[in-house]
Amino acid sequence: QKEVEQNSGPLSVPEGAIASLNCTYSDRGSQSFFWYRQYSGKSPELIMFIYSNGDKEDGRFTAQLNKASQYVSLLIRDSQPSDSATYLCAVEPNFGNEKLTFGTGTRLTIIP
Amino acid sequence: DAMVIQNPRYQVTQFGKPVTLSCSQTLNHNVMYWYQQKSSQAPKLLFHYYDKDFNNEADTPDNFQSRRPNTSFCFLDIRSPGLGDAAMYLCATRTGQTLEQFFGPGTRLTVL
Repeated sequence: QKEVEQNSGPLSVPEGAIASLNCTYSDRGSQSFFWYRQYSGKSPELIMFIYSNGDKEDGRFTAQLNKASQYVSLLIRDSQPSDSATYLCAVEPNFGNEKLTFGTGTRLTIIP
Repeated sequence: DAMVIQNPRYQVTQFGKPVTLSCSQTLNHNVMYWYQQKSSQAPKLLFHYYDKDFNNEADTPDNFQSRRPNTSFCFLDIRSPGLGDAAMYLCATRTGQTLEQFFGPGTRLTVL
């Protein structure tokens, strides 16, 4: 079983709709969770991180964490064509580990 | 602006010809990472430094070496590149107190 799993997509969402990206992880002790956006040929860019169960909102982005279900998601409201990218979920196994485990990413396409 | 810089952005080398990739940061971050990312794959951690303490991943080939002469600079040496080493090489940094990693723009390595 992969440590961090994401649906590779592609996920196609109409412009203006809500895009929902999902990630599950295998290590129940994981503490910190990150979402990165990666445009084709570019490096990952940090969008959000979340440590506590529940929702965390930043502009059009909302991260949701459910540690009991070992599930983290990213919602993008009012999707724009510029949101078309690959979204990487990353998990820090435990505090002080200094390392992230990345999923393979979900490719999101926003359709104008 | 504080940032992570990688040079060169594109590197072409011949099979077996040593190559060095560089990363510098103006963020004064304690931790520096080197990742390898191949197309449609997750970034794969090769090694990282916490200050001068070097941490090698168990599955990083001996062909890959790294140096961190000071806080600002970190180098990735590939002693004898093979065709399978063609990839994007990503440098990332973070402070010792937070968990978020910030990536440089990457170096695209081509092996002929």
